[in-house]
Amino acid sequence: SQQGEEDPQALSIQEGENATMNCSYKTSINNLQWYRQNSGRGLVHLILIRSNEREKHSGRLRVTLDTSKKSSSLLITASRAADTASYFCATAPPGGTSYGKLTFGQGTILTVHP
Amino acid sequence: DARVTQTPRHKVTEMGQEVTMRCQPILGHNTVFWYRQTMMQGLELLAYFRNRAPLDDSGMPKDRFSAEMPDATLATLKIQPSEPRDSAVYFCASDGGMIRQGTQYFGPGTRLLVL
Repeated sequence: SQQGEEDPQALSIQEGENATMNCSYKTSINNLQWYRQNSGRGLVHLILIRSNEREKHSGRLRVTLDTSKKSSSLLITASRAADTASYFCATAPPGGTSYGKLTFGQGTILTVHP
Repeated sequence: DARVTQTPRHKVTEMGQEVTMRCQPILGHNTVFWYRQTMMQGLELLAYFRNRAPLDDSGMPKDRFSAEMPDATLATLKIQPSEPRDSAVYFCASDGGMIRQGTQYFGPGTRLLVL
């Protein structure tokens, strides 16, 4: 079963607006990652935030993590039409033999209109 | 530019036929994952290997699916016999281990259609 659940399932915005996607999870994590998938392509890693971090930035991306609420958000600022894609959160377990085994959410479909 | 490669990119076959999908992980990556993606189920982990040894294949239908790593540069996923419900996109991914904290690098996928 998928641990991460993204919200909303779909998001439609105009170019230049900000896009915020949320992810909730159920169990303890080592880190949480966000991936992007363009139509017909494989997933591409965007950003990783460790369980002891609260916020991380990478270019136009800002990720927050609240381990007490078991939730994360991905903010894309000043969106572009090229940001149109599906976005997935993935959680990595704390360790042991499951280390490296990511659990992906169902994804948020983002559409950015020019 | 290191990347994961998968072959074939597309496969159309008839029910009952054997399907073999191949993956070449990024050189030096010691963990390889097989995923299946459908509209209904999303992205499902089928199996994964570390240092060529299978660690978890609980997501894989055992009666018809098999996954192997004959060597460090090749992972295979076989379906025999194939069924229409196996139609999906199959992704291979590899990761560079703890130094990369489990960041996975995905291949382009094999789009399988079983008629």
